[in-house]
Amino acid sequence: SQQGEEDPQALSIQEGENATMNCSYKTSINNLQWYRQNSGRGLVHLILIRSNEREKHSGRLRVTLDTSKKSSSLLITASRAADTASYFCATLRVSGNTPLVFGKGTRLSVIA
Amino acid sequence: GAVVSQHPSRVICKSGTSVKIECRSLDFQATTMFWYRQFPKQSLMLMATSNEGSKATYEQGVEKDKFLINHASLTLSTLTVTSAHPEDSSFYICSATPGNYGYTFGSGTRLTVV
Repeated sequence: SQQGEEDPQALSIQEGENATMNCSYKTSINNLQWYRQNSGRGLVHLILIRSNEREKHSGRLRVTLDTSKKSSSLLITASRAADTASYFCATLRVSGNTPLVFGKGTRLSVIA
Repeated sequence: GAVVSQHPSRVICKSGTSVKIECRSLDFQATTMFWYRQFPKQSLMLMATSNEGSKATYEQGVEKDKFLINHASLTLSTLTVTSAHPEDSSFYICSATPGNYGYTFGSGTRLTVV
């Protein structure tokens, strides 16, 4: 079942601007992950944040997690045209061989 | 490391025929693999969990007789779409985890049923 909801569903920005995407989920989680998908292609793992973490950085990416609100945000700073893709949050409820549950995704367009 | 290879990347088949999609973990053993389906401009929906040496676990609403899953070895899971119809046209993606919470995805298979 799909439990994550991202907003906005679509986002269009100019190159150099920051892009913020939000994700909400319904159940308790072990960790939350963000993925990127270029049109019609496989998924690329971007960043993982554990349930006991509140913020994490990786290059131009900044992820926050608020477990009390069951929400997360992904910030991409100084966006580039190459960042144009769909971004999905995915949650892992428990550790072990359990599946990721994906949100609906945000389609980001960065205009050069 | 932690590469999952998925084949074919694209397949076109006629209605009524069957199509097999392979998912291989190249450098790790995967007792469990996951199969997802993605319709255009939508998210990934989990179809089933493939378990090595035992029956797959299907999500509600996924027909097990239509989407046959075989996980006969620790590095290979196959999804066979039987008696395919145009509504089965979709992007199918497999996933496995080598541990440490990391998940690796295949590059996906775009199935078009004509």
